[in-house]
Amino acid sequence: DAGITQSPRHKVTETGTPVTLRCHQTENHRYMYWYRQDPGHGLRLIHYSYGVKDTDKGEVSDGYSVSRSKTEDFLLTLESATSSQTSVYFCAISEGEESSETQYFGPGTRLLVL
Amino acid sequence: AQSVTQPDIHITVSEGASLELRCNYSYGATPYLFWYVQSPGQGLQLLLKYFSGDTLVQGIKGFEAEFKRSQSSFNLRKPSVHWSDAAEYFCAVSSGTYKYIFGTGTRLKVLA
Repeated sequence: DAGITQSPRHKVTETGTPVTLRCHQTENHRYMYWYRQDPGHGLRLIHYSYGVKDTDKGEVSDGYSVSRSKTEDFLLTLESATSSQTSVYFCAISEGEESSETQYFGPGTRLLVL
Repeated sequence: AQSVTQPDIHITVSEGASLELRCNYSYGATPYLFWYVQSPGQGLQLLLKYFSGDTLVQGIKGFEAEFKRSQSSFNLRKPSVHWSDAAEYFCAVSSGTYKYIFGTGTRLKVLA
């Protein structure tokens, strides 16, 4: 158990509204990640963080922003949600100080954009 | 570019039968390889990983995987499947950086 929680676990929202998902970890890991999971696509990286205020884009970052003001929290924001952002969102961490360390995943947030 | 292929979208086996889930990757150097399992409504749980050394890797829940460089494969095996193994299985490859590439998953159904 890597001590990762995600909130909310489920959310329904309307197109055009802002949405923020939170990932919280209790073990002071340096690297944190946001993925989305869609049928037929596996998991795809949205953004990742390598320290407080240090973030970078993944392969599907359009329409998403992130922030990390504290080591333990990594926030994912959809500025104006669209139906194509309906998905299951997973947060992950890497143990240790290297990005190459094994990634461990949170329980996920199921988001429905109507 | 790196890629991962899981050619079987669905697999059905009887309880007690052996299991092999296929994973093929495309990568120029020796990759880091992973298998994860996802039960319905849950996150991904690491089953096993290969970084280097012995090409036969043992994992949790009685699973093992074998890295075959010549075939660019990292197939997951279990000698006797239990009903609780029904889940979706994901293979992933990394170049040793933050960037993981996931396969599209294989959904396992176990018949009683």
